[in-house]
Amino acid sequence: EDKVVQSPLSLVVHEGDTVTLNCSYEVTNFRSLLWYKQEKKAPTFLFMLTSSGIEKKSGRLSSILDKKELFSILNITATQTGDSAVYLCAVEGYGQNFVFGPGTRLSVLP
Amino acid sequence: DAGITQSPRHKVTETGTPVTLRCHQTENHRYMYWYRQDPGHGLRLIHYSYGVKDTDKGEVSDGYSVSRSKTEDFLLTLESATSSQTSVYFCAATPAGGNTGELFFGEGSRLTVL
Repeated sequence: EDKVVQSPLSLVVHEGDTVTLNCSYEVTNFRSLLWYKQEKKAPTFLFMLTSSGIEKKSGRLSSILDKKELFSILNITATQTGDSAVYLCAVEGYGQNFVFGPGTRLSVLP
Repeated sequence: DAGITQSPRHKVTETGTPVTLRCHQTENHRYMYWYRQDPGHGLRLIHYSYGVKDTDKGEVSDGYSVSRSKTEDFLLTLESATSSQTSVYFCAATPAGGNTGELFFGEGSRLTVL
């Protein structure tokens, strides 16, 4: 059974801190790993990763995938209160099936 | 904007009544999905569709059925709603036929079963 695990499940930091969110997975016929940010409503897309070792970057956010060790990390530098959200990791496997982890709830305090 | 709309956005119903949630997309996406989201569980797949009249079960399909008679519409039906089906339901779709790609979401439908 395909599975995605995220850690930590919850994290509280102060503005300016750097955070690292973890995602590990077991999936049949891996195709891609995706990161989403979810505030009050629908998840919004952050990154899609398909190749090991290639960092994706967008502003203060970056992510990398290790297909050998079956994990990915999402880094957020110089956190802001607007980064407070649930961060979801999803893996696309066999049959275009997307499996989600439970999410990491990040709270950034002023 | 991925052109995915869900209706209704909010619904309160009673145990034992049938409920249908509708997902409508305007981008001709081939793959469509219904997820439910509950605290501590992230998003769990209920059913998905890989084309008109082609559907398959997900991880939490018991008590749910789906239909896709047109590319643009994917319906989720709770034949007899139970309190355990109180949840937020998200429809999603992928933009290309069978290719690895981003998953776009609708705004969600909050269902409360009393």
